[in-house]
Amino acid sequence: QITLKESGPTVVKPTQTLTLTCTFSGFSLSSSGVAVGWIRQPPGKALEWLALIYGNDDKRYSPSLGSRLIVTKDTSKNQVVLTVTNVDPVDTATYFCAHREYYSFDYWGQGALVTVSS
Amino acid sequence: QTVVTQEASLTVSPGGTVTLTCASSTGPVTSGYLPNWFQQKPGQAPRTLIYTTSNKHSWTPARFSGSLLGGKAALTVSGVQPDDEADYYCLLHYAGAWVFGGGTKLTVL
Repeated sequence: QITLKESGPTVVKPTQTLTLTCTFSGFSLSSSGVAVGWIRQPPGKALEWLALIYGNDDKRYSPSLGSRLIVTKDTSKNQVVLTVTNVDPVDTATYFCAHREYYSFDYWGQGALVTVSS
Repeated sequence: QTVVTQEASLTVSPGGTVTLTCASSTGPVTSGYLPNWFQQKPGQAPRTLIYTTSNKHSWTPARFSGSLLGGKAALTVSGVQPDDEADYYCLLHYAGAWVFGGGTKLTVL
């Protein structure tokens, strides 16, 4: 059974760095073709794809946000970490992580709401 | 910047058929864009319905189907049920990165 869960701060101040952790079980990030992605959704708005990391440490980022995003993994802990630098109130959103295999984002975490406010 | 466009809203009667579409600002959508479709209900995480254009997961109801139609990715719901009222998002692949559409709010009325 594949599960994922996001964790991190609920409130972050503008210009600070946001760090979110995705803790997963039921699969190995070392398996070929398996990846973990990050997606976010501002309140009442559409989904936005952010980043993806593979077991071989290959990474992909959204072109519009790429310079502010860093994604890393700790395979031994079954965790993937997303860092968003220099946050702004427009970064207020629910952040999801998802398992990706065979080009399908098939299993998602419940999401973590992060508010950027002073 | 790549833009993926979906109908903002659609309304369908119970038992009817509706097709949602997904267009790319870069040109016709082909299978190489690996279209995915998701359903999201209020307060819930998205649930994947379709991947790589037309493949279904074990949990995808048979009334949902994916295809390419007139240069767009399409999601067709046949025999719509009240429980299908939700937001639907498509997701397209662009050289390693992915882009979501703006979503379609489907109302069953």
